[in-house]
Amino acid sequence: ELKVEQNPLFLSMQEGKNYTIYCNYSTTSDRLYWYRQDPGKSLESLFVLLSNGAVKQEGRLMASLDTKARLSTLHITAAVHDLSATYFCAPYLRNDMRFGAGTRLTVKP
Amino acid sequence: GAVVSQHPSRVICKSGTSVKIECRSLDFQATTMFWYRQFPKQSLMLMATSNEGSKATYEQGVEKDKFLINHASLTLSTLTVTSAHPEDSSFYICSARRRGGRSGANVLTFGAGSRLTVL
Repeated sequence: ELKVEQNPLFLSMQEGKNYTIYCNYSTTSDRLYWYRQDPGKSLESLFVLLSNGAVKQEGRLMASLDTKARLSTLHITAAVHDLSATYFCAPYLRNDMRFGAGTRLTVKP
Repeated sequence: GAVVSQHPSRVICKSGTSVKIECRSLDFQATTMFWYRQFPKQSLMLMATSNEGSKATYEQGVEKDKFLINHASLTLSTLTVTSAHPEDSSFYICSARRRGGRSGANVLTFGAGSRLTVL
């Protein structure tokens, strides 16, 4: 069974600072997703990473994938309050998709 | 883009009654749909995977007689919580895998979720 470890679980940042969220998974996967969830809402897709070395960037968020290390990172650059949310990574293998525990990010002024 | 409609978004019911949640892919055919459950401030837990025209595959610990899943067509899957109890109160989210999606495309689309409260 695909197992996912995400850390940190809670992250409180000052606006303007940088930080990285880590996602480790237990077995080879076809691809890896990053999602954002606001309170009471469903999931918003951020990135899908398909191959080793893949890097994608959207605004202040950048995601990368190292399939050999079974590690993905979500880097936040110069955080702003609007980024406050819970972020989930989710490796996908065939018909199996598992979510990390989530990182609850709070960006403070 | 691919859209998944999930209804109802909120439902309150009495203990012992059954509740049906629908998940529809509006503009694509979904060969596979996933049902997740999320407790407050926790991650999503996969409950079951349903393929069109066949029986759902349930995760360990999920009671198939309590959580009935039907995937009768390529655009509709339903989750029925039978004889609901307060401990079934949760946020239920479906996602649909697009049939014939391009490799590299974002193949899973999530519904908006259904918040179930059992009194």
